[in-house]
Amino acid sequence: DSGVTQTPKHLITATGQRVTLRCSPRSGDLSVYWYQQSLDQGLQFLIQYYNGEERAKGNILERFSAQQFPDLHSELNLSSLELGDSALYFCASSPSPGGYTFGSGTRLTVV
Amino acid sequence: SQKIEQNSEALNIQEGKTATLTCNYTNYSPAYLQWYRQDPGRGPVFLLLIRENEKEKRKERLKVTFDTTLKQSLFHITASQPADSATYLCALRGPLCSRHKQASGAGTASKLTFGTGTRLQVTL
Repeated sequence: DSGVTQTPKHLITATGQRVTLRCSPRSGDLSVYWYQQSLDQGLQFLIQYYNGEERAKGNILERFSAQQFPDLHSELNLSSLELGDSALYFCASSPSPGGYTFGSGTRLTVV
Repeated sequence: SQKIEQNSEALNIQEGKTATLTCNYTNYSPAYLQWYRQDPGRGPVFLLLIRENEKEKRKERLKVTFDTTLKQSLFHITASQPADSATYLCALRGPLCSRHKQASGAGTASKLTFGTGTRLQVTL
């Protein structure tokens, strides 16, 4: 157990639907990062939150949004899902500076 | 544009040998570089961090070098074992080279950008 908890582990949904992925960072870490990893692609940075505020944005689609709550857990919302959104979605947290601790990921399958 | 390049071809080596993986980057001036291990279907696991003013870092059978002139890091696993078989990712964190900072906007320097990884296969 890395200390970063992601739920659910697997998600199968239809095109056009909306899903919410949840992440609880490691205790004491204020930063949360979301990454997407498709089958043939590397880890793509989506968005970072630090202590409740958006800190950095990557190539995140407008259909995707995220937030970090006062208890520091974060949610990634994916809407109007397309087949191409099928991927592993990872959340990571870190002290600053330092290595990232990743969760075990949510495998999203859009059918 | 900014690039982090790792050999996309799998590296196959025999148990007991030293595995050497390469990470090259362009248009970065990283404060530090990190290496991660990723097993299929699982999240990356942090291995080592090396700062720009450090030439070499060691941890057990792992050794990382960082040459900011060549813009390259080498990752070595000595006395490799089949259990070392995995994909190894290098990752960079800002700052970007100055002429890229303005284009990227505020906040992007704090993110970690990953290479696509090199798959290592250690055989008996």
